[in-house]
Amino acid sequence: SQTIHQWPATLVQPVGSPLSLECTVEGTSNPNLYWYRQAAGRGLQLLFYSVGIGQISSEVPQNLSASRPQDRQFILSSKKLLLSDSGFYLCALEGARDTEAFFGQGTRLTVV
Amino acid sequence: GNSVTQMEGPVTLSEEAFLTINCTYTATGYPSLFWYVQYPGEGLQLLLKATKADDKGSNKGFEATYRKETTSFHLEKGSVQVSDSAVYFCARQGGSEKLVFGKGTKLTVNP
Repeated sequence: SQTIHQWPATLVQPVGSPLSLECTVEGTSNPNLYWYRQAAGRGLQLLFYSVGIGQISSEVPQNLSASRPQDRQFILSSKKLLLSDSGFYLCALEGARDTEAFFGQGTRLTVV
Repeated sequence: GNSVTQMEGPVTLSEEAFLTINCTYTATGYPSLFWYVQYPGEGLQLLLKATKADDKGSNKGFEATYRKETTSFHLEKGSVQVSDSAVYFCARQGGSEKLVFGKGTKLTVNP
């Protein structure tokens, strides 16, 4: 069965520091992977999606970047965090047609 | 492009009230439709789904019917409970199209 792992669960980082959030999946190959951000009281904002190794599409210009160095690994990064980067970050694995997406448990990032 | 339009909340109901959260989608292709639920501090989890027109998804007393003629997938529950308090997301998925979510609707059920 497909599973998705995301870490860390919580993170407090100072402004200007770098960021690396990792997401890995199991039980599937060549998945479509997504990074979303959810600000407090807001909906899901799609940040990046990837259909394969090295293939990244950015939905919103911002201070973040994403990489997919391996088929089952999707990384969200920043060189210098801003206060506005605070939020709840979710990694998602798109299921095959007619099946649901799977989400990681999320990372609560607080930039101070 | 493909999109999902969802009733914006927040929605506040008393226990045992009837719930409807509206969701409409763009009719490109033949998407599968989903409702996800997010409890506080957690990721999203599937609530129910429908993969073709006229299908009805159901789970935990919630229901939604895939209506191709109105491009809708409204979520309903006849009698909500306090434990149903959460954020609900409508989503579409299909073929080579991106997984697309509505903005989410926060539901609060008071005892």
